Amino acid sequence: EDQVTQSPEALRLQEGESSSLNCSYTVSGLRGLFWYRQDPGKGPEFLFTLYSAGEEKEKERLKATLTKKESFLHITAPKPEDSATYLCAVQAWGGAQKLVFGQGTRLTINP
Amino acid sequence: ETGVTQTPRHLVMGMTNKKSLKCEQHLGHNAMYWYKQSAKKPLELMFVYSLEERVENNSVPSRFSPECPNSSHLFLHLHTLQPEDSALYLCASSRKQANRDANIQYFGAGTRLSVL
Repeated sequence: EDQVTQSPEALRLQEGESSSLNCSYTVSGLRGLFWYRQDPGKGPEFLFTLYSAGEEKEKERLKATLTKKESFLHITAPKPEDSATYLCAVQAWGGAQKLVFGQGTRLTINP
Repeated sequence: ETGVTQTPRHLVMGMTNKKSLKCEQHLGHNAMYWYKQSAKKPLELMFVYSLEERVENNSVPSRFSPECPNSSHLFLHLHTLQPEDSALYLCASSRKQANRDANIQYFGAGTRLSVL
C-alpha cells in the first residue's frame, strides 16, 4: 500500500530563519511526487512535481528535492506570507492517477 | 482562482436531508476527483472520473453518490449522512496523461459540510 509520512507536524520559525520539511514515502512505482500549499479555508495550491531521484525544483524561496525514499521542501529566508500547511503526495504508475497524501506540515512564520 | 469552482462553500444539513455538492472546471481537463479532508487526517480520495467514466470508488459508503454528466461538471449527491461525515469536500481536475508526465491535479476551494 502506498504511504506518505510528513514531518514535523507543525513548525514555527522566525522571519528569515531557513528550514526544511520532510516527506517520506513508500510507493509501488513512483510516477510523480507532488508538493502543494494549503491556506486556511482554501483548497490545495500546486507547487511542484518531481519525477526521479536527484531532481530539484525551485520557486521563489522554496526548493524541492527528491531521493528514492523521501523529498524535502527547503524554505530559505521565509516571510510571514509563507505561513500555510504544506502537503506532499505521491502518484503511482497504473491505477486511476490518484494522489496519496501525507498529513501535512503546518508552517508558521513569525515577523 | 484555480479554474475549479465549488458550490456551495458551506453547507449545514440534518441527517435526514438530501443535498448535492457541485464542481465545475474551466481548464479543459478530462479527469475529475472528489476528496474528503477531515481534521487531523490526510486528504482521502473518494471518487475518480476519467473521460466521464467512474474509474475509482475508494470504498465510499453508498450515502455518497457521484455524478459526472460531462467533462466540466461533477456532483456529489448526499443523503442520510452521519455526523462523522462532517468535513471539507474538495474537487479536483486534471488532464489525463498517458505518457510519463504525472498529471497535475488542480483543486477547488472546497465545500465545508456540517452534519447535525
